[in-house]
Amino acid sequence: GQQLNQSPQSMFIQEGEDVSMNCTSSSIFNTWLWYKQEPGEGPVLLIALYKAGELTSNGRLTAQFGITRKDSFLNISASIPSDVGIYFCAGHSGTYKYIFGTGTRLKVLA
Amino acid sequence: DSGVTQTPKHLITATGQRVTLRCSPRSGDLSVYWYQQSLDQGLQFLIQYYNGEERAKGNILERFSAQQFPDLHSELNLSSLELGDSALYFCASSVDSARETQYFGPGTRLLVL
Repeated sequence: GQQLNQSPQSMFIQEGEDVSMNCTSSSIFNTWLWYKQEPGEGPVLLIALYKAGELTSNGRLTAQFGITRKDSFLNISASIPSDVGIYFCAGHSGTYKYIFGTGTRLKVLA
Repeated sequence: DSGVTQTPKHLITATGQRVTLRCSPRSGDLSVYWYQQSLDQGLQFLIQYYNGEERAKGNILERFSAQQFPDLHSELNLSSLELGDSALYFCASSVDSARETQYFGPGTRLLVL
């Protein structure tokens, strides 16, 4: 099925480090969502973005809706062990469905 | 807790069988979406319903079908099950189709033996 490209695919970082990940698409999107999924659980919504250029924060998380509307970025500052999980982006283009990214698997070393 | 409920949490069945997965959306949400997630894979959109009507279809097999009832709960029916159908099946809901922030349920883990 159709998917967005997320990078990196996985990352190991030290506790306290900042994390950056991004999502790119060949299509323009009107909405970007970022989710975190832990093993065996459903994705949990972290941040929703509705306008090109929008920058939104949720605690230590900050996400941006790219100006081109074809990408989005998620940053996590001062990572902690409970940040471990898979982070998914999802884009919506005005059709009636979301396209999900391939996921970034984050592991935090204490 | 997202407010979306799914039952059952786990399901083990045999090839060739038929199962029904159930989803109750968040209170007030009219849209329900179904996704399949195979091991270590991303989420594959299957189908969306809005206020009882089918709104969008994704990569849903002909052996699979869904419906949304007047009380807005939804069921996903999987028939003639194959080993490859083993996966996590998630339901998500949103208020409407225009501004579609989706909230996910905890999922149903299906194992086909």
